[in-house]
Amino acid sequence: GENVEQHPSTLSVQEGDSAVIKCTYSDSASNYFPWYKQELGKRPQLIIDIRSNVGEKKDQRIAVTLNKTAKHFSLHITETQPEDSAVYFCAASKTAGKSTFGDGTTLTVKP
Amino acid sequence: NAGVTQTPKFRILKIGQSMTLQCAQDMNHNYMYWYRQDPGMGLKLIYYSVGAGITDKGEVPNGYNVSRSTTEDFPLRLELAAPSQTSVYFCASSFSFTGNHGYTFGSGTRLTVV
Repeated sequence: GENVEQHPSTLSVQEGDSAVIKCTYSDSASNYFPWYKQELGKRPQLIIDIRSNVGEKKDQRIAVTLNKTAKHFSLHITETQPEDSAVYFCAASKTAGKSTFGDGTTLTVKP
Repeated sequence: NAGVTQTPKFRILKIGQSMTLQCAQDMNHNYMYWYRQDPGMGLKLIYYSVGAGITDKGEVPNGYNVSRSTTEDFPLRLELAAPSQTSVYFCASSFSFTGNHGYTFGSGTRLTVV
């Protein structure tokens, strides 16, 4: 089955700096790559996604890039703010929308 | 439009007891899923369904059962609860047309088996 690895497991940045989280996947048939943000004690929420026919997607301060050849994708957050502090999960999907999740990255933005 | 509604929010079970976690969505999504999230870990797929009457196993199905009699409801049954089933359980649904789409999650059920 699909295997998704996510790095780093923890990331601490100063407010205003950029943060980058990287994921690799094993199944070349995966075609949809969502990112979720989970605040403490809350449900995961979709923040951005990318499909296999697109190399990059941006939404305000967040962007995602995909390298199908290398089977890796990354989340980029610019101008980080304290409210960006959360656990971020990447995922990879192919059939029936089933997603395999990475183990998460705990991002701390220090004021 | 409530999204995905899960009940209960918290539950303590004794070893060997059984219970059903309820999940309902009002977005007319065909795809529904049950995941468990252990502390500090990602989400592991237990069962999923692509439509009413159709269910299939995910990565960690042992000790669980599901049914999907309607598009809206996707309950998860725990039989003979064990301490290893202590976890947070999330139900999710997604739109099924024009390719894969992101999940809408329920608020979760925090289950402790003692």
